[in-house]
Amino acid sequence: GAVVSQHPSWVICKSGTSVKIECRSLDFQATTMFWYRQFPKQSLMLMATSNEGSKATYEQGVEKDKFLINHASLTLSTLTVTSAHPEDSSFYICSAFPLAGGYQETQYFGPGTRLLVL
Amino acid sequence: KQEVTQIPAALSVPEGENLVLNCSFTDSAIYNLQWFRQDPGKGLTSLLLIQSSQREQTSGRLNASLDKSSGRSTLYIAASQPGDSATYLCAALNDYKLSFGAGTTVTVRA
Repeated sequence: GAVVSQHPSWVICKSGTSVKIECRSLDFQATTMFWYRQFPKQSLMLMATSNEGSKATYEQGVEKDKFLINHASLTLSTLTVTSAHPEDSSFYICSAFPLAGGYQETQYFGPGTRLLVL
Repeated sequence: KQEVTQIPAALSVPEGENLVLNCSFTDSAIYNLQWFRQDPGKGLTSLLLIQSSQREQTSGRLNASLDKSSGRSTLYIAASQPGDSATYLCAALNDYKLSFGAGTTVTVRA
């Protein structure tokens, strides 16, 4: 089956630093990847849609200057949390649509990255 | 904007009992509806995907139904086992975006 990886799985950082999270599709190509965040006991909220070779589309209320997304290839998207603060502590999950499939097919989800900002 | 609601928020049952998890959505113009499982601190595992033209999908002990016109889906898990303990999320796909419910946390007691 299709596999999506995320790195790192856990990150602890000091307030004010920047953190980069990678999302890779290991055995398929993906023109579109999605970034979600999940607070404890809450559902996943879509942050942005990442399209290979073009600018990401951010959901309402998500600061594009704070959450920088780069989708440089068909298998890699990165999310950089700039000047992280404790309120950015959350579980970040990415997903990807296989290039060969349509949007009616399932997205494949990464295992998530837990960010703790001290 | 799609709103997805899951009831109940939590459920505790003895082993062997059948589970019924409910999901409702406000915008019926969906491409599909999916059910996921999430273990604590982990990512999502896709369980079942029902296309908008389908009424149900089955996989082993799992069966999911979809009633688009009423905006509802139900996940049935037969003969529950302790290993079924997890949070179950439903998600509706509109355009290319998935909208998730808050989930139902299931505990199956041995």
